[in-house]
This record gives sequence, structure tokens and C-alpha cells, in this order.
Amino acid sequence: QKEVEQNSGPLSVPEGAIASLNCTYSDRGSQSFFWYRQYSGKSPELIMFIYSNGDKEDGRFTAQLNKASQYVSLLIRDSQPSDSATYLCAVGRGAGGYNKLIFGAGTRLAVHP
Amino acid sequence: NAGVMQNPRHLVRRRGQEARLRCSPMKGHSHVYWYRQLPEEGLKFMVYLQKENIIDESGMPKERFSAEFPKEGPSILRIQQVVRGDSAAYFCASSQTGTGNNSPLHFGNGTRLTVT
Repeated sequence: QKEVEQNSGPLSVPEGAIASLNCTYSDRGSQSFFWYRQYSGKSPELIMFIYSNGDKEDGRFTAQLNKASQYVSLLIRDSQPSDSATYLCAVGRGAGGYNKLIFGAGTRLAVHP
Repeated sequence: NAGVMQNPRHLVRRRGQEARLRCSPMKGHSHVYWYRQLPEEGLKFMVYLQKENIIDESGMPKERFSAEFPKEGPSILRIQQVVRGDSAAYFCASSQTGTGNNSPLHFGNGTRLTVT
């Protein structure tokens, strides 16, 4: 079992729709959760982070965390073609007190006009 | 540019040569992380360093790879006697602190290593 699992996609959504990206993790001791966006050939860019169960909203993005189910998701409202990228879920293990992140393989999102 | 700076952006080496990748963290950041990304794969943790200390190198191959973060100057990831399987994008990230939940990682633009 991979430590952080994501559906590789591609997830195809029409412009203006809600894109839902999902991630599960295996380490119950994980304490911090991050979503990064990576355009092809570029570096990962931090979109959101969440530490507590529930929802966290920032503009068109909402991160959701359910520690009991070991599940974290990212919703993108009013999807735009510019949102087309690979979305990486990352989990902070907190072991040793530092923020070492374990990444999933990413989900490719394609927003079509 | 106050972001994480990596150089070179592209590096081509022949098999058996050495590759040196450099990373300067964001201003005010003293924690550096190196990740490797193979094509169509996620980021794989390699090593975490603070100034003059290697904190966690659990993701580093046991041979040919080494990393340092000296008191002065950038962090260096060194790959000796490169092989074709070392071809990948190497990303450096930095954070303001190493502990707690308030330290997202900020990534540099990466070095794309090609071994011919």
C-alpha cells in the first residue's frame, strides 16, 4: 500500500464545473496536509494546507480533511482551463518534529472549454 | 527574487561524471529538503538538512549520493558516477521552521538532470 494514494486521472471537467480531487493516506499519525499544483515542466506550487478535520476555504478552493477516514480532498469551484495541471497531495508525517512531506503521484486535471 | 533558487536549471552529464546541484533557500529559511521526480511520478523525498546538519537522509540512495548545507553558501546535492537512471528533475524546497504545522514547503524551479 502506498503511503499517499491519488487517482492518476486524467479527471476531465467542463469549464465552470466543480472539480473534486481525492487523496487517502496510510499513516494515522499524519498531522498536516497540503495540496500543490504542478504545471507540466514546472515546480510544485502550494495551493492550500489543512491541519484540522473539516473544511477550509480559500477563494475557489476548498480543502476537506477527515482524519478518521484518512481522507483529504480538494474541491475547485468554477473550474477554468488555467486550472488544468497535476494536483499533488502531500502529507506531513511530523515524525521527529519536522515537516517532512510525503507526496502522492498526483491527479491530472483537464478543464475543457 | 526572494524565492528558492536552484541552479543550474538543466544539467547534462555523461555516464560516470559527477553532477552538482545547488539550492539557495528563501530568505529567512534555514530548512532545506531535496526531492526527486521521475517522469509521470510524484515527488520522492531524499534528504532534509539544516545548516551544517543532515537531519534525515532516509530517502537518499546509499551510494553515490550526498548532500550538504554549509554554514555559508547554498545547499549542494552531489551525485557521483552518474548513471542513466539518475535522469530526473531534482527539486529543492525550504521552510521557515522545521517543526510544527506552520511550515509549508516552498519549492524551487528544479534542476533537470539528463545522463547520456
